[in-house]
Amino acid sequence: ELKVEQNPLFLSMQEGKNYTIYCNYSTTSDRLYWYRQDPGKSLESLFVLLSNGAVKQEGRLMASLDTKARLSTLHITAAVHDLSATYFCAVTNSNSGYALNFGKGTSLLVTP
Amino acid sequence: DTGVSQDPRHKITKRGQNVTFRCDPISEHNRLYWYRQTLGQGPEFLTYFQNEAQLEKSRLLSDRFSAERPKGSFSTLEIQRTEQGDSAMYLCASSPSFYEQYFGPGTRLTVT
Repeated sequence: ELKVEQNPLFLSMQEGKNYTIYCNYSTTSDRLYWYRQDPGKSLESLFVLLSNGAVKQEGRLMASLDTKARLSTLHITAAVHDLSATYFCAVTNSNSGYALNFGKGTSLLVTP
Repeated sequence: DTGVSQDPRHKITKRGQNVTFRCDPISEHNRLYWYRQTLGQGPEFLTYFQNEAQLEKSRLLSDRFSAERPKGSFSTLEIQRTEQGDSAMYLCASSPSFYEQYFGPGTRLTVT
């Protein structure tokens, strides 16, 4: 069974600080996704990482992928309040038509 | 708006009643996925269609659940004899390929 673990599950950080969210997965997967979810809303795609060593950046968020370690990171630089949300990583399972297997999510709160 | 749409957005029903949700994918996306998300958890895969064919079902999809995608366009998810444990957000996603999934706004089901 493909398992995805995120840590931390809850994160409170001050504006202007940096932090990293970690995503480990249990078996080989050929792609990794990061999504953002605001309370009561659906999922917004942030990044799709396709290969070992892939790095993508958008604004204050940067995602990377190490397929050998089965690890992805989402790094937050100089956090602002607007980044407060829940962040999910997910990997695909080719046995289920490339359905997404999600972690439990990291609930991020950025405070002044 | 050419994104994924879902209807209704909210549904409150009494235990034992049947409910049906609809998903309209992005036009020409041949893959359609249903997920369920309970509070504090990541979405969990339920089932997936390629065109009109239902190709995979999760073990979460009990025999009270049925999904269809007639003509490979919109899809419906029906839950018969609802139980309180069915209360969740039901998310639909569509995809043009193996690559990326685009999520709809979700249908929030509350079973009283």
